Amino acid sequence: QKEVEQDPGPLSVPEGAIVSLNCTYSNSAFQYFMWYRQYSRKGPELLMYTYSSGNKEDGRFTAQVDKSSKYISLFIRDSQPSDSATYLCASCSNDYKLSFGAGTTVTVRA
Amino acid sequence: GAGVSQTPSNKVTEKGKYVELRCDPISGHTALYWYRQSLGQGPEFLIYFQGTGAADDSGLPNDRFFAVRPEGSVSTLKIQRTERGDSAVYLCASSLRPSSYEQYFGPGTRLTVT
Repeated sequence: QKEVEQDPGPLSVPEGAIVSLNCTYSNSAFQYFMWYRQYSRKGPELLMYTYSSGNKEDGRFTAQVDKSSKYISLFIRDSQPSDSATYLCASCSNDYKLSFGAGTTVTVRA
Repeated sequence: GAGVSQTPSNKVTEKGKYVELRCDPISGHTALYWYRQSLGQGPEFLIYFQGTGAADDSGLPNDRFFAVRPEGSVSTLKIQRTERGDSAVYLCASSLRPSSYEQYFGPGTRLTVT
């Protein structure tokens, strides 16, 4: 079983909707939690990272981590067609070996 | 500034051939990482360099895979006797600090073994 499991997609939402993306993880040592965005045939782009439990907001993006339930979420408000991409969650402990989910492909319809 | 660059962007090779994939990290980044991403999956860790030496190569799948970073900047991932199962996107990332979760990825090299 993979250390990070991500809700499978794909997701298709109308422009302006809230996009909700979720992951769970199994490794209790994980302390850092990242969200990457990956456009087709491009490398992953670091969107946000959080340490331990809590919320972090950056513009239209909000990342949430609940370590008690080992749950990671990303919310995108007022979604735009340019948000259409694959979103990857990733986690690691005190090291550098990022464990990624399989990704959720999101399409925002204009 | 310039991000991580990788060459070639695409590589098609025949089974059994040798390939080299190059990564140029962000200027000033001391740490470099290689990952492999198969279709429909997230990236999987291969190897980590701090400076010139491979600090952790535990993700390399077998001894056909080898990577170097002779001057602490550019890195080359080398695959001998390629197999069809090696087909994937090979991603390179770099970080400013060593052993960092804050990694910045390049566009990847799409390797196809026929």
